[in-house]
Amino acid sequence: DAEITQSPRHKITETGRQVTLACHQTWNHNNMFWYRQDLGHGLRLIHYSYGVQDTNKGEVSDGYSVSRSNTEDLPLTLESAASSQTSVYFCASSRNVYRETQYFGPGTRLTVL
Amino acid sequence: AQSVTQPDIHITVSEGASLELRCNYSYGATPYLFWYVQSPGQGLQLLLKYFSGDTLVQGIKGFEAEFKRSQSSFNLRKPSVHWSDAAEYFCAVTTIIQGAQKLVFGQGTRLTINP
Repeated sequence: DAEITQSPRHKITETGRQVTLACHQTWNHNNMFWYRQDLGHGLRLIHYSYGVQDTNKGEVSDGYSVSRSNTEDLPLTLESAASSQTSVYFCASSRNVYRETQYFGPGTRLTVL
Repeated sequence: AQSVTQPDIHITVSEGASLELRCNYSYGATPYLFWYVQSPGQGLQLLLKYFSGDTLVQGIKGFEAEFKRSQSSFNLRKPSVHWSDAAEYFCAVTTIIQGAQKLVFGQGTRLTINP
């Protein structure tokens, strides 16, 4: 069955380190998204991509970057991790731009000490 | 700016009782609306969605939602809850900004079920 996976599921790192969270989908979806989930804020969009080589900033993109070299993967990089980036990160994908459901991965819990 | 409000942060109901979770949105055009459920430690699972047509939408697990344009609401209902329904529920609206699709979420409602 097609799916969307994230790795690692849990990560502890130190302030200042570079961290990369992986997201892989097998639906061949064009669109991929990264969200962070924090208490009191719901899910907020970090970055998104509408296809290979396309990346766009969401509402909370500072300190994060993404790259899209193929359809299946959209890794999220924290260039220099900060304690404020301790959160649960969700990746999602959808087939098209309009009127399309986003399907979510299981999430990565990141702790920055 | 488009927004979604879920007025109830936490709701507790007894098993077998009826449930209604509230969702209000702010969006100028016809909204595309979603309800997702998140079980503890899990990702988000789509319960149902509304794009157009019949304003009463049926979803999985016995849930339904009704779109009311006049009230800018998309409330989620279930006639009889089960202990397995304990989870966090998110309402979301798709917005189109400069050709880009963005999903805006409410803050979520945590549902607790009393035995």
